[in-house]
Amino acid sequence: DIQMTQSPSSLSASVGDRVTITCRASQSISSYLNWYQQKPGKAPKLLIYAASSLQSGVPSRFSGSGSGTDFTLTISSLQPEDFATYYCQQSYSTITFGPGTKVDIK
Amino acid sequence: EVQLVESGGGLVQPGGSLRLSCAASGFTFSSYSMNWVRQAPGKGLEWVSYISSSSSTIYYADSVKGRFTISRDNAKNSLYLQMNSLRDEDTAVYYCARDEVAAILGDYYYGMDVWGQGTTVTVSS
Repeated sequence: DIQMTQSPSSLSASVGDRVTITCRASQSISSYLNWYQQKPGKAPKLLIYAASSLQSGVPSRFSGSGSGTDFTLTISSLQPEDFATYYCQQSYSTITFGPGTKVDIK
Repeated sequence: EVQLVESGGGLVQPGGSLRLSCAASGFTFSSYSMNWVRQAPGKGLEWVSYISSSSSTIYYADSVKGRFTISRDNAKNSLYLQMNSLRDEDTAVYYCARDEVAAILGDYYYGMDVWGQGTTVTVSS
């Protein structure tokens, strides 16, 4: 199975900050990488698919980049509703998720 | 409104069985492949199983292979997960999720774009 890692595991940030989360795959997955946001007690929400394509309805402050083994999720200006846990997920082979990055308020 | 609603969770003893259901509405269920994803208390997301739109292709995570069975009934717009030989480590919230496919430059990319609210399975004596 392809292993996914994320860094950092958690971060504290302020409203308006630029936030970057990194995801790394144990082998090349081309652009078969998705990002999800999950708030406590809620189901995950698809933010980015195919590494850099913004899901319909997702604010443009979210962006994704990367290919191969290294990927990045960027929030250009953190908003109060963005405090959540973010997961990457590969769909190149049998699905695996990263361990998550929790973004909380500084 | 596009919606997925899970049911069937509950408390079960180790070694027991449970059948989860996921009712779909607001979209053409038979056109989409589906997944089950679970989340243990305080933990991250774990993919459990996948079924294609026609049930011709099925995959399982190694952790549930041989114990869980995914199925669907397109006439009833429903997805199922039969869980046997349950273990303590199967305790989790179980979500069903729809697979959306995007064609980009000749390649097909899948993402889980619609999720249910989850149903809780607790395995404990």
